[in-house]
Amino acid sequence: EVQLVESGGLVVQPGGSLRLSCVASGFTFDDYTMHWVRQAPGKGLEWVSVISWEGGDTYYADSVKGRFTISRDNSKNSLYLQMNSLRTEDTAFYYCAKSPSSGTTWYYFDSWGQGTLVTVSS
Amino acid sequence: QTVVTQEPSFSVSPGGTVTLTCGLSSGSVSTSYYPSWYQQTPGQAPRTLIYSTNTRASGVPDRFSGSILGNKAALTIAGAQADDESDYYCVLYMGSGIGVFGGGTKLTVL
Repeated sequence: EVQLVESGGLVVQPGGSLRLSCVASGFTFDDYTMHWVRQAPGKGLEWVSVISWEGGDTYYADSVKGRFTISRDNSKNSLYLQMNSLRTEDTAFYYCAKSPSSGTTWYYFDSWGQGTLVTVSS
Repeated sequence: QTVVTQEPSFSVSPGGTVTLTCGLSSGSVSTSYYPSWYQQTPGQAPRTLIYSTNTRASGVPDRFSGSILGNKAALTIAGAQADDESDYYCVLYMGSGIGVFGGGTKLTVL
């Protein structure tokens, strides 16, 4: 069974930094494309970023480009999101999600984690 | 800026059929956008329902179906049940690694 478990969500001040992690199990992690998707409390889902199987290709939503960095460590079955220059509008649940593809040409998400809450507030 | 549009809310009677749509602020949705659909109940992670326009994900009942209707992607729920009351989101793949969610539709079954 595929399992994705996020961690690292905290309360952080505007302008601060945070790193989220997602540990995967139940599948061959380094075969697949991975994503971060977020959801502000009471709001809709927003795609944030994608990374190819080997980490060589990454893409970002305009709202986070230049501030967030997605990465992965296939030896640890782990996905990361480094979040810098955080803003109040970055407050959200952050989900990691898997696509049944290997590159950054992906078409859908087939598995989701349960999410971790990031709160940006002074 | 590409905006993916969905009805903010919809209601359906138990046993009834409802069609939710997913459009573009400019242009038409086609199969080339590989529309996919997700169901989310409060406090839960999303659940994948439909991908590549009309393929049901594993374990999804055949009451759920996807299609292209006119210039939009569509999710049809037949024989609506109380536990179909959820938020439904579509995603369109825009190319170059980018995906865009619609704003979601809150479905009420009453």
